[in-house]
Amino acid sequence: DAGITQSPRHKVTETGTPVTLRCHQTENHRYMYWYRQDPGHGLRLIHYSYGVKDTDKGEVSDGYSVSRSKTEDFLLTLESATSSQTSVYFCAISESGSDTEAFFGQGTRLTVV
Amino acid sequence: GQQVMQIPQYQHVQEGEDFTTYCNSSTTLSTIQWYKQRPGGHPVFLIQLVKSGEVKKQKRLTFQFGEAKKNSSLHITATQTTDVGTYFCAEVLQAGTALIFGKGTTLSVSS
Repeated sequence: DAGITQSPRHKVTETGTPVTLRCHQTENHRYMYWYRQDPGHGLRLIHYSYGVKDTDKGEVSDGYSVSRSKTEDFLLTLESATSSQTSVYFCAISESGSDTEAFFGQGTRLTVV
Repeated sequence: GQQVMQIPQYQHVQEGEDFTTYCNSSTTLSTIQWYKQRPGGHPVFLIQLVKSGEVKKQKRLTFQFGEAKKNSSLHITATQTTDVGTYFCAEVLQAGTALIFGKGTTLSVSS
């Protein structure tokens, strides 16, 4: 498996609290992505990054922000968590964008109560 | 919203039967990728299709890209219990940007 680590792997948090999920890679890949997976919805793109400090929104970006200050780290922040953000979050990386295969992390299961 | 539609959403087969999942788009696709996710696991890349009418095989799996590049299919011959999981197609949003996934087809296999 590609060197991708997501942390934490599981988290329970209360509504209204900020939450940050971390994705760390050791592959030096340029592109990093955050997806959420919910039953019946498949994988939906939240945000992605095409380089340090270069990010763009995906299809479900409301309520989320991201930062990439180093090639190896991509952070996803829920500024004020809501129950609708309860989900499994996957980070993915790819070497040169969507025309190369994406490698996924193990996922973070987030529960907002 | 999502541009790729996958059907069926669920499929149950007896071991040894064939299985096919379809991915359809309203727009012409530049590239399509297929992934498999085992229960409790993460998506794993299977293949990428680029050319119109392209057919690729991986053992019992056959992948096709339509002539008009608006649809794709994954066919599994003689399913095994190890084929259980969810199969996703993913379209390239724009070259060099991000993948947009279909909702997936979940395959269950009984022995």
